[in-house]
Order: sequence, then C-alpha cells, then structure tokens
Amino acid sequence: DTAVSQTPKYLVTQMGNDKSIKCEQNLGHDTMYWYKQDSKKFLKIMFSYNNKELIINETVPNRFSPKSPDKAHLNLHINSLELGDSAVYFCASSQDRRGRQPQHFGDGTRLSIL
Amino acid sequence: RKEVEQDPGPFNVPEGATVAFNCTYSNSASQSFFWYRQDCRKEPKLLMSVYSSGNEDGRFTAQLNRASQYISLLIRDSKLSDSATYLCVVNPTTSGTYKYIFGTGTRLKVLA
Repeated sequence: DTAVSQTPKYLVTQMGNDKSIKCEQNLGHDTMYWYKQDSKKFLKIMFSYNNKELIINETVPNRFSPKSPDKAHLNLHINSLELGDSAVYFCASSQDRRGRQPQHFGDGTRLSIL
Repeated sequence: RKEVEQDPGPFNVPEGATVAFNCTYSNSASQSFFWYRQDCRKEPKLLMSVYSSGNEDGRFTAQLNRASQYISLLIRDSKLSDSATYLCVVNPTTSGTYKYIFGTGTRLKVLA
C-alpha cells in the first residue's frame, strides 16, 4: 500500500518528444508537489497544488505543465523535451499547505533524454 | 547567503562513532524543520521532525538553536546502514506561500 506512487519509474526518450509523469497519493493529503533533482543532487521545487489549486509555480519553462484532476493526483506533462530536462523528478505530498507537517515522497521518475 | 546551508561532506566515520551535522538557515521566521535521509538514487525519506525543545529517536537526536539559526543532527553508535545523504529541510513561512527549502545535503560514509 504505497503512500505516494509515481509512474513511470524510468523514462528514456528523445529530444523533442512530449511525455507525462503521473503521481497519486493515498494519504488523504491536501497538498502535492513536483521536485526536480539534477545531477548535482539539489532538490528544487517546481510546482505545488493544494486541493487542485496551483499555489507554487517556480521559474520553470512553460514546456512543463502540471495538472491536478483531484487532490489525490498530480501529473506533470513536459513538451518538447530538451537534454537539460534529464533528471530525477519526485512527487511529494503533505497534509496541508502550511508546511508544518513533513512531506512524503514518491520513489522518483528517472528521465533520460537522448 | 543561501536560505539553507549544509556542509556537503563527505563525513567518513568508523562504525560505532558519534557524528553530528549542522544546518544553518537564513530566515529567522522559519517555523518547521526536518531531517531527511536520501540513499543513492532513491527518494528522500523523513528521518525526524525537529522540535523546539529538541527530540530524540533511538540513536538520532535533533536540536534547534533559534538564536544562532541552525539545526543539528547527532547520530550515535553509527552503523554501516547509516551511510547516506542527510538533507536538512526548512519551512521559511513567508506570508501566503509555504515552501519547503532543502539543503544540498551532507554525505555520510560509515566505514567498517
């Protein structure tokens, strides 16, 4: 009974393609996040949704478009993939948007652009 | 100054040793603090939250020093399995937007 699950775990594709990553949480949390961890291992917030409402949108190229159909799901669509998009993408959730409770992470999607 | 700073290490310690890491934060209004552990190519996993009075969980002790704006993690009786990267996370609680800010992590290697 995985708490935060992401699919796919590995994604290998060519430059210019469009791809999606899905995330689901069964913790009953209100808030979900997408992070990018690059080769330097730094975890950087990309987006956050609270009850389907976008609340954090960092400086991310508009090729990246998150979508939250309900509070248990947060998907990430990436258009026109570039070499620099190669990274591990982590989905996370937390109880609410106030940040007083810890986040729980999915096991990541390893994206490699050829 | 970075919002959250950690010594990247690596800290190489023998099994059984005690090791401590610090993490400094820049926003004095920060309210929430956490330590996560990340193994190579895996997701960050919550190790412990850090409470104002300090807290302990088995061999792990976390402390918060608001005056000097840092949190610490102490690991006693290190095990080989403690080898990982330890991430400090701070919620700076800027008005209206709550973000978790991650440090770059401190790498620990416990040696046999």
